Amino acid sequence: DIQMTQSPSSLSASVGDRVTITCRASQSISSYLNWYQQKPGKAPKLLIYGASSLQGGVPSRFSGSGSGTDFTLTISSLQPEDFATYYCQQSFSTPRTFGQGTKVEI
Amino acid sequence: EVQLVESGGGLVQPGGSLRLSCAASGFTFSNYAMHWVRQAPGKGLQYVSAISSNGGSTYYANSVKGRFTISRDSSKNTLYLQMGSLRDEDMAVYYCARVVVVADAEWFDPWGQGTLVTVSS
Repeated sequence: DIQMTQSPSSLSASVGDRVTITCRASQSISSYLNWYQQKPGKAPKLLIYGASSLQGGVPSRFSGSGSGTDFTLTISSLQPEDFATYYCQQSFSTPRTFGQGTKVEI
Repeated sequence: EVQLVESGGGLVQPGGSLRLSCAASGFTFSNYAMHWVRQAPGKGLQYVSAISSNGGSTYYANSVKGRFTISRDSSKNTLYLQMGSLRDEDMAVYYCARVVVVADAEWFDPWGQGTLVTVSS
């Protein structure tokens, strides 16, 4: 199975901050990397697919980059509604493994 | 509106069984592969099982292999997860998710709201 490792596990930030979350795969996954946002008590929501493509309806302050083994999710200017947990997921091979999550707190 | 609604969760004793359902609407169910993902209390997302669009191929995580069975009924637009020999570590919120494939890219969207399975004596 491909292992996905996110860093940091949690971070504290303020409204307006630029936030970067990193995801590393245990082997090359090309650009088969997705990012999800999950708020407490809610289902995950797709933000980014194919490493850098923004899902429809997702604000442009979210962006993704990377290929191979190293990927980043960037929030250019953190908004109050962005405080949540973020997960990366590889879709290169089965099982479609997830990172352990990064909790973005105030 | 594309929607997935899970049901069937509840309290079950260790060693017991439970069947989860995921009702799909707003899209042609038989055209999409489907997955189950779970989340233990306070933990991250764990991939559980998958089934192809026609039901001919299935996948199980090692932790549930031999105990869980995924299936689908396209006449009812419903995905199922039959869970048996339940253990404490199976306690989680179970989500169903539709697989979207465009060119080579694949992602899960949407997800259902989740159904809670509690394993306790």
